[in-house]
Amino acid sequence: GAVVSQHPSRVICKSGTSVKIECRSLDFQATTMFWYRQFPKKSLMLMATSNEGSKATYEQGVEKDKFLINHASLTLSTLTVTSAHPEDSSFYICSARGGAVDTEAFFGQGTRLTVV
Amino acid sequence: SQQGEEDPQALSIQEGENATMNCSYKTSINNLQWYRQNSGRGLVHLILIRSNEREKHSGRLRVTLDTSKKSSSLLITASRAADTASYFCATAGYSTLTFGKGTMLLVSP
Repeated sequence: GAVVSQHPSRVICKSGTSVKIECRSLDFQATTMFWYRQFPKKSLMLMATSNEGSKATYEQGVEKDKFLINHASLTLSTLTVTSAHPEDSSFYICSARGGAVDTEAFFGQGTRLTVV
Repeated sequence: SQQGEEDPQALSIQEGENATMNCSYKTSINNLQWYRQNSGRGLVHLILIRSNEREKHSGRLRVTLDTSKKSSSLLITASRAADTASYFCATAGYSTLTFGKGTMLLVSP
C-alpha cells in the first residue's frame, strides 16, 4: 500500500511552546489529508480535514488558532500545536487520501506529544 | 463527530477461533472501512466496502454491510495471536472519515 510518513514519532515540549508535526505522502499525491487525535484506549477523533491549497475544515470544538493546519502541497501537510499545554498531550495521527472518497486513506505512524 | 459504534468493546478468544466485530452508524455513507491498530501505533487499512456492496472478502477477513440497518460486521476466521489489536470501523462521507470507538481483540495462544 501507499506510504504516509509522519514526523516526529515522539516529542516532549515545555508548556507554552509550539510543536510542528509533519505528514508526508511518499508515493502518491494526497488531495485530502485528515488529522486525528487519540486519547489512551479511545478512538480517533477527527480534528480537521484539509485539501491541498485551501483552508482546513475544522470539526466542532477544535480550536483553529490552537491547531494550525497547513496543506501547502500535494505531499505535505503540517499540524502546529501552538502554545501547548499539558492537556494537549495526546497521540496525533495524520491520514492521506489520494483520490475520491471511494478510495482508502493511508495513515502515518502517529506522533506522541507530551507537554510538560 | 463520531459516527461508528463498535460492538463489543473488547473481545477475548483463543487462537483458531473466529472473531466477529460489529459496527453501527447513524447517517448515510459512501463507504465503510475497517482498520487495525496495534498499541500506540498508526492504523492499517484492512478492507473497504462500498455502500452498494453487501459482502467482501480479503484473506481471513470477511466484511458485511447492511445499509438498511446501518451496520457492518468484520469476521476474522482462524484467529492468530498476531491478530491481537484494536479494530475500528470508519465511515466515509464526501469529505470526512470518522471512526467508531473500536473493539479491542485479544487472541490467546
